[in-house]
Amino acid sequence: SQTIHQWPATLVQPVGSPLSLECTVEGTSNPNLYWYRQAAGRGLQLLFYSVGIGQISSEVPQNLSASRPQDRQFILSSKKLLLSDSGFYLCAWEKGTAGANVLTFGAGSRLTVL
Amino acid sequence: GESVGLHLPTLSVQEGDNSIINCAYSNSASDYFIWYKQESGKGPQFIIDIRSNMDKRQGQRVTVLLNKTVKHLSLQIAATQPGDSAVYFCAENRSFQKLVFGTGTRLLVSP
Repeated sequence: SQTIHQWPATLVQPVGSPLSLECTVEGTSNPNLYWYRQAAGRGLQLLFYSVGIGQISSEVPQNLSASRPQDRQFILSSKKLLLSDSGFYLCAWEKGTAGANVLTFGAGSRLTVL
Repeated sequence: GESVGLHLPTLSVQEGDNSIINCAYSNSASDYFIWYKQESGKGPQFIIDIRSNMDKRQGQRVTVLLNKTVKHLSLQIAATQPGDSAVYFCAENRSFQKLVFGTGTRLLVSP
């Protein structure tokens, strides 16, 4: 069966510090991978998605970047965090095959920037 | 999307009542729809899905209804329980397109 892991689960960082959130998927190959952000009491905002190694599409201009160094690894980064980067970050995957597919989410990483 | 900045609407029900959560989707070409449940501090979890060639699908205590004429989707939860308290998101999709999420509805179940 397929599983998705995100870490760290919780992170408190000062303004201006770097960020690295990691997501890995097991039990599948060539998945489409996504990063979403969710502010408290809000909906889901798509940040980045990737259909393959090294292929990143950005949905919203911002202080963040994403990378996919391996087929089942997706990393969200920032060089200098802003207060507005605080939120709940969710990684998700879906089968990278034809047809609409279910998006499966990780448990999330809660980032607080102080 | 625009909805990400909005406060979530809330539906309050009594334990044992039936709940109906509604969602309006935007793309008439969408052919696949999903309902997710998100408990506090967790990632969204798949509940049930439906394809556009159907107008109703039932799961355990949940039913999804699809009205393509008015682009409306609903999730019905029978005999709502306190454990059903969560935020519910609908999502629409087309092949090779990104999933588009609705605003979300917070369901509060009182004992």
